[in-house]
Amino acid sequence: DTGVSQDPRHKITKRGQNVTFRCDPISEHNRLYWYRQTLGQGPEFLTYFQNEAQLEKSRLLSDRFSAERPKGSFSTLEIQRTEQGDSAMYLCASSLDGVGTEAFFGQGTRLTVV
Amino acid sequence: AQSVTQLDSQVPVFEEAPVELRCNYSSSVSVYLFWYVQYPNQGLQLLLKYLSGSTLVKGINGFEAEFNKSQTSFHLRKPSVHISDTAEYFCAVSVAGGSYIPTFGRGTSLIVHP
Repeated sequence: DTGVSQDPRHKITKRGQNVTFRCDPISEHNRLYWYRQTLGQGPEFLTYFQNEAQLEKSRLLSDRFSAERPKGSFSTLEIQRTEQGDSAMYLCASSLDGVGTEAFFGQGTRLTVV
Repeated sequence: AQSVTQLDSQVPVFEEAPVELRCNYSSSVSVYLFWYVQYPNQGLQLLLKYLSGSTLVKGINGFEAEFNKSQTSFHLRKPSVHISDTAEYFCAVSVAGGSYIPTFGRGTSLIVHP
């Protein structure tokens, strides 16, 4: 098992463009989380999936953000009409479903909107 | 809703000295507590977790943490730090009986000087 992988690792885009990030969780994990991390801050929760169902979304997740997890495997996070404020590290994590199970994190995708 | 406070944004310490990184949480129900470490350009890695039972929890790399319910704290300690411990440390909490989504503190940067 290679852990949680995210692609791309870095993305530079112009303001107003759309971007899509991919996350491949640990294969047997049925929970998948997306977080956003800005400089000097801890990870902020965006959304999570249990298998293919998106069960919770943060108020941070504006209408320009959409996430999917088809077939309960990999997940994508799309940001439409990017703004400079979207510049951040986007982290994906996965875990087993259960009491107190820890989340395993990928290395993140660093987005820079210019 | 639960929250996590890491009062110290930065903790400088000399090599082989002891260190304590502070974490306080707020929640009206039982919680599970975690400490993660993030090395430069890497994802978050679990150091240790508290679910129940003994309030003193031992983790990897010689770290330990003590759960104090009356003070709602979960401070991380190491008796003798090494240069390689220089990293960002995050405390996280998830609420028992809820969706178990981890909520993170803003992080503490541990800087170990030779």
